[in-house]
Amino acid sequence: DQQVKQNSPSLSVQEGRISILNCDYTNSMFDYFLWYKKYPAEGPTFLISISSIKDKNEDGRFTVFLNKSAKHLSLHIVPSQPGDSAVYFCAARTTSGTYKYIFGTGTRLKVLA
Amino acid sequence: DSGVTQTPKHLITATGQRVTLRCSPRSGDLSVYWYQQSLDQGLQFLIQYYNGEERAKGNILERFSAQQFPDLHSELNLSSLELGDSALYFCASSVEGSGGLFFGSGTQLSVL
Repeated sequence: DQQVKQNSPSLSVQEGRISILNCDYTNSMFDYFLWYKKYPAEGPTFLISISSIKDKNEDGRFTVFLNKSAKHLSLHIVPSQPGDSAVYFCAARTTSGTYKYIFGTGTRLKVLA
Repeated sequence: DSGVTQTPKHLITATGQRVTLRCSPRSGDLSVYWYQQSLDQGLQFLIQYYNGEERAKGNILERFSAQQFPDLHSELNLSSLELGDSALYFCASSVEGSGGLFFGSGTQLSVL
């Protein structure tokens, strides 16, 4: 049962344009959502997060939007840069007893110069 | 540098063997999580420890086990290895309630 889904395995975007990465979830008990970026041969690194009580969080070029009614979140990167090329994982946290983080399968973003 | 250290970086072994992966969490973090990433798969949660005690179990096989020691480092033991166990194994640590995980650079396990 995949509770966190990233339906687009890959995305290509021109440098300077907007990248939009999407994530859907099924569990209404998730209280926190996170995006991680992963370069080859490295561990995932934390990018940005959002609490379930908010609908938007912004950090520089990165903005995460949360639509609770649709159980959908998205990551916007504006403007996209070649260095943003990486795999992006969406994650959701549940606090039933302990903190547990469920990850999606990732979206490979390629920013074309 | 996340502050989470995993050793070894690479491990090549044969089917049927047993290996141990090691993780040192960030200073002050009491929670350690183990994840497995197979080819084209997401990060599959295996197991979590908090201050030496098992807190949660995910899709961890019975052939796999883990523990967290008094100095908070953790080890993941994989036994009777099969070809399908070849994967990247990540360790992550966190301060409970902080809202995020900090990952090590992973151990690439190849079972031949």
